[in-house]
Amino acid sequence: RKEVEQDPGPFNVPEGATVAFNCTYSNSASQSFFWYRQDCRKEPKLLMSVYSSGNEDGRFTAQLNRASQYISLLIRDSKLSDSATYLCVVIANQGGKLIFGQGTELSVKP
Amino acid sequence: DVKVTQSSRYLVKRTGEKVFLECVQDMDHENMFWYRQDPGLGLRLIYFSYDVKMKEKGDIPEGYSVSREKKERFSLILESASTNQTSMYLCASSAMIQNTEAFFGQGTRLTVV
Repeated sequence: RKEVEQDPGPFNVPEGATVAFNCTYSNSASQSFFWYRQDCRKEPKLLMSVYSSGNEDGRFTAQLNRASQYISLLIRDSKLSDSATYLCVVIANQGGKLIFGQGTELSVKP
Repeated sequence: DVKVTQSSRYLVKRTGEKVFLECVQDMDHENMFWYRQDPGLGLRLIYFSYDVKMKEKGDIPEGYSVSREKKERFSLILESASTNQTSMYLCASSAMIQNTEAFFGQGTRLTVV
């Protein structure tokens, strides 16, 4: 079993739609959680951290469920510019090792 | 402006060559990472380092080695390049403190012919 697993993509949605991505992790001692965004042929960049109480940044909401070991990302009112690959990232409990999910591709259409 | 810089954007090497990929960060980060990214497989960790001269194997270390002689520089070495090492290589760095962002270099697309 992979340490971090994400929904298989691609997700194709119309502009204005709400889309949700889920990610599960296997190490119950994991400490930090993030969502990164990667545009085509570019490096990944931080979209948002995920806090235990859940957090929101504009149209983006991230949630963490430690009991079930999953994190989620909700995007409301999708824009064409949201088209990208979204990567779930977990930091293991030792030494800050970053573990990535395989990524979920989102394509927002007019 | 924080920066992680990889020495090359594109590289073409021959099978059997020794290849050096260099990564430099200017944020005084303790942690540095090397990943490779392949379609359908996501980012896979090759090696990481949490201090000078310290290294740990990631998920796919076979065929690679690393060097961290100075805090700001982390080198990935392909001892004898093979065609199955054709990939996008990404370097990242982060601070040791919890919940901190990792920053990536722009990537090196390596083709082994």
